Amino acid sequence: GNSVTQMEGPVTLSEEAFLTINCTYTATGYPSLFWYVQYPGEGLQLLLKATKADDKGSNKGFEATYRKETTSFHLEKGSVQVSDSAVYFCALWMDSSYKLIFGSGTRLLVRP
Amino acid sequence: EAQVTQNPRYLITVTGKKLTVTCSQNMNHEYMSWYRQDPGLGLRQIYYSMNVEVTDKGDVPEGYKVSRKEKRNFPLILESPSPNQTSLYFCASSLSGLAGGPTGELFFGEGSRLTVL
Repeated sequence: GNSVTQMEGPVTLSEEAFLTINCTYTATGYPSLFWYVQYPGEGLQLLLKATKADDKGSNKGFEATYRKETTSFHLEKGSVQVSDSAVYFCALWMDSSYKLIFGSGTRLLVRP
Repeated sequence: EAQVTQNPRYLITVTGKKLTVTCSQNMNHEYMSWYRQDPGLGLRQIYYSMNVEVTDKGDVPEGYKVSRKEKRNFPLILESPSPNQTSLYFCASSLSGLAGGPTGELFFGEGSRLTVL
């Protein structure tokens, strides 16, 4: 079946460090891929998306590229800030199933 | 302001006492869905609705009911709650894509934390 695997956290970084959160997926067909972010005490917010292979999604300094050959959608940011501390979820969407399939989430803690 | 509103945000109840978590969206979205979030499991879909009077099961529907009598509202009903339904619940709605169906761009409510004793 379809699934998403992302690296376990927590990931702890110093401010201005480079961030990578790994995400790989298994899917039959051609899913759309997403990163959602959950700040403490809040609901999830869409961070970025990519709908087909080789697309790059970007927002707020975060980027992820849809790699069909490696079935990956790794999240990167060149210089993290304390305000980026949150839980990040990788997810896939298949039009045929009408649901987002989420990874287990990766908690990021950025220290000043 | 575009939003999805859930109530209550926090609830502690006892086994077997029926409860309803309300969800309302003001974006005229046709698609709505409920998820539960549990540590280490991410979010899992409970039910979804493609439009008024059209609902279907997600991955973990056991012990839950839903209804969609109006486009804006999608309540989640726990007829006889049990401790294994202690969780954080999220309601979400979706834009329609070019083909007219939902996309993965979901708007989430702030969550309802439910504890069943």
